[in-house]
Amino acid sequence: DVKVTQSSRYLVKRTGEKVFLECVQDMDHENMFWYRQDPGLGLRLIYFSYDVKMKEKGDIPEGYSVSREKKERFSLILESASTNQTSMYLCASRPRGGGAKNIQYFGAGTRLSVL
Amino acid sequence: SQQGEEDPQALSIQEGENATMNCSYKTSINNLQWYRQNSGRGLVHLILIRSNEREKHSGRLRVTLDTSKKSSSLLITASRAADTASYFCATDATGTASKLTFGTGTRLQVTL
Repeated sequence: DVKVTQSSRYLVKRTGEKVFLECVQDMDHENMFWYRQDPGLGLRLIYFSYDVKMKEKGDIPEGYSVSREKKERFSLILESASTNQTSMYLCASRPRGGGAKNIQYFGAGTRLSVL
Repeated sequence: SQQGEEDPQALSIQEGENATMNCSYKTSINNLQWYRQNSGRGLVHLILIRSNEREKHSGRLRVTLDTSKKSSSLLITASRAADTASYFCATDATGTASKLTFGTGTRLQVTL
């Protein structure tokens, strides 16, 4: 089974702190994604990566950056955390290829509170 | 942008009843998928239906797709308390490098 592991389930940070959210997948997937989930807004794509050292902006990249130094690891960085970044963050991965291969596998999520 | 919009936002039924959720979307798609999310957890893929398919079954799940109306429905038959979760549709729109766009979800509560 595909396993996507997010390093923390719950995280509490202070405004202005630099925050790292880590995600690791064990299925050699090329594509990895970071979403945030807020009530009434569903999942919104922050960034995605289709290969090592490659990244693409999603729908809401402002205030975030990402790092993909190794194929299995995709990190989301909040350079200076703000209270409006309090949210549930979900990481996902999928193999290369479209169509029926475009099924994403999700981690359990990190609930981040910025105080 | 939120392509998929689910309806209803919330649904409460009794065990044994059927649950139907609907999804509307705006652009051409390669496929449409349904995911389930238990409270406070990640999403789990349930079923994928291609744009050239009209209906698909998987166990107690039945998905329909009407590309002319840009809509899909998910039917869960003989629901169980364990089906309590949020359900999201996700569209793989053409020309989007296979990114998925998720809707806002339907929250299903199945009571005993």
